[in-house]
Amino acid sequence: SAVISQKPSRDICQRGTSLTIQCQVDSQVTMMFWYRQQPGQSLTLIATANQGSEATYESGFVIDKFPISRPNLTFSTLTVSNMSPEDSSIYLCSILGQGYTEAFFGQGTRLTVV
Amino acid sequence: AQKVTQAQTEISVVEKEDVTLDCVYETRDTTYYLFWYKQPPSGELVFLIRRNSFDEQNEISGRYSWNFQKSTSSFNFTITASQVVDSAVYFCALSEVSQGGSEKLVFGKGTKLTVNP
Repeated sequence: SAVISQKPSRDICQRGTSLTIQCQVDSQVTMMFWYRQQPGQSLTLIATANQGSEATYESGFVIDKFPISRPNLTFSTLTVSNMSPEDSSIYLCSILGQGYTEAFFGQGTRLTVV
Repeated sequence: AQKVTQAQTEISVVEKEDVTLDCVYETRDTTYYLFWYKQPPSGELVFLIRRNSFDEQNEISGRYSWNFQKSTSSFNFTITASQVVDSAVYFCALSEVSQGGSEKLVFGKGTKLTVNP
């Protein structure tokens, strides 16, 4: 199984500011995924990040709001820009295991925007 | 569009009771994968099981069992002799192709299980 480390684990931020979340994987992976879990809700995919190319965003999510970097095969960042209280969520990064046998998740970043 | 429905928002049981969490899905794909994840209060997602659409055999793992019925598009999860440590939110998920062309998971809204001592 893979080990995925996310930083920070939680943060409280002022509205209008930006927060960058880091995701480090202990093995090389082609694709990394970023999910959002709003309070009391399910998980929704924000975007898929391939190394060496721009991230692909799901419907309802845009690059200006959630810019993603993928500088190498073990690391990715998600930035939540110009935050508002509606951005308060848990943000999780994820990878797929070999043969897609399971999706591994980081421990999540709990973001509160005040 | 693919969809996963977990009709039970919250379930509360007393320890040692059996409990079944329901999951109904919709998909047009002939090949797909179904998952169950557990999210304890600490927030991390714990993988429980993955089932592909061609394998309708029920599975048992300790106190956990899963019943996959393609005819009713259901993938239900039963905990036998529940324990307080089973208290968590349980998510059912279905794989589909993302905008980027890779697999992604579509999650149900989750069922919050509380097991009381």
